[in-house]
Amino acid sequence: GQQVMQIPQYQHVQEGEDFTTYCNSSTTLSNIQWYKQRPGGHPVFLIQLVKSGEVKKQKRLTFQFGEAKKNSSLHITATQTTDVGTYFCADTGTASKLTFGTGTRLQVTL
Amino acid sequence: DTGVSQDPRHKITKRGQNVTFRCDPISEHNRLYWYRQTLGQGPEFLTYFQNEAQLEKSRLLSDRFSAERPKGSFSTLEIQRTEQGDSAMYLCASSLGTGQFSGNTIYFGEGSWLTVV
Repeated sequence: GQQVMQIPQYQHVQEGEDFTTYCNSSTTLSNIQWYKQRPGGHPVFLIQLVKSGEVKKQKRLTFQFGEAKKNSSLHITATQTTDVGTYFCADTGTASKLTFGTGTRLQVTL
Repeated sequence: DTGVSQDPRHKITKRGQNVTFRCDPISEHNRLYWYRQTLGQGPEFLTYFQNEAQLEKSRLLSDRFSAERPKGSFSTLEIQRTEQGDSAMYLCASSLGTGQFSGNTIYFGEGSWLTVV
């Protein structure tokens, strides 16, 4: 079956540093969605990418979809302590049955 | 509150007991999903409904698991004869959509934590 891997598994940065998580799929992705899950919380939708090569920005967050639609990335500029959490990519598949990636846990310290 | 709500939020049960979780989706959403998440892992798809019809079940959903959405609104997930391996967070999510369409935002509830002792 499909495998969606994310690297790194964990990253610890100091506030103000940048952060990037990479999402790679063994098969072509349908659409890619990104979620943030705070410790003890539930996944919260951040964004969806649909087109090959698409780039979207949300304030300090930049999302990219690979040209071959087999990978994606999330970049956070100048991290803040409020960015702490686990970031998941997810392939929407058909009928939005999500296949989540393995997640990247971000820790930000002052 | 107009989000996805789940009840109970936490459940501790003895091995062998049955448990039931309830999910109330966002009112106009016709799709409802159940996922399971264990510590340190991403959520795994269990099953989904379009209106009252259960359209797909994951192989993860053993015969001890059953889900219903009788009137196309709220849904229940029952686990019979619980095992320690069932300990996880059970997440419900809802969205709008028809057929194979995958474009709409999916909203997750806060989850129901199950601990089997």
